[in-house]
Amino acid sequence: DGGITQSPKYLFRKEGQNVTLSCEQNLNHDAMYWYRQDPGQGLRLIYYSQIVNDFQKGDIAEGYSVSREKKESFPLTVTSAQKNPTAFYLCASRGGTGGSSSYNSPLHFGNGTRLTVT
Amino acid sequence: QKEVEQNSGPLSVPEGAIASLNCTYSDRGSQSFFWYRQYSGKSPELIMSIYSNGDKEDGRFTAQLNKASQYVSLLIRDSQPSDSATYLCAVNTGGFKTIFGAGTRLFVKA
Repeated sequence: DGGITQSPKYLFRKEGQNVTLSCEQNLNHDAMYWYRQDPGQGLRLIYYSQIVNDFQKGDIAEGYSVSREKKESFPLTVTSAQKNPTAFYLCASRGGTGGSSSYNSPLHFGNGTRLTVT
Repeated sequence: QKEVEQNSGPLSVPEGAIASLNCTYSDRGSQSFFWYRQYSGKSPELIMSIYSNGDKEDGRFTAQLNKASQYVSLLIRDSQPSDSATYLCAVNTGGFKTIFGAGTRLFVKA
């Protein structure tokens, strides 16, 4: 079955450590996204990538980094510079292979990674 | 800053009633609009997409779009306890960027 796989489901880290969250999709989607969700709040965009080897900052990119070396993979690194990293992190992809049809497509989400930093 | 606004609720309705969820957005150039349902601790799942003014129905769900008023709504008919969740409004604001509202919590009382 096609889908988006995020791993691990739960992640615990000490303050000051960098941590990388994995996101893999086999939907053949060009565009991929990372969102952060805090308790009782909506989703806030961290980074997004429309094609391989290209990505753009979202609304809350500070303290995060990404790479897009393969179409299927879009890992997110939470660095020690992120002041409040504890959150639910969601990876998503958008259907189509470019053009207006994919722009209007809905996002498909992975199951999320819950990161706790103490 | 492009924004999507929702009433955070909670919205409480009895079983069998109609639940009405509302959303406004700030970017007049937005062209595609989505409603997602999110159960506690889970990821969002798509319920409806709407792209043109008017109503779009899918089963018990109806999405309504009014671009002149920059307003999107979701009606849930014959509400069931299993509909209890947070409903997120999402808007494509340009290019490949999608902005979400904070969500409305819905409780359906049996």
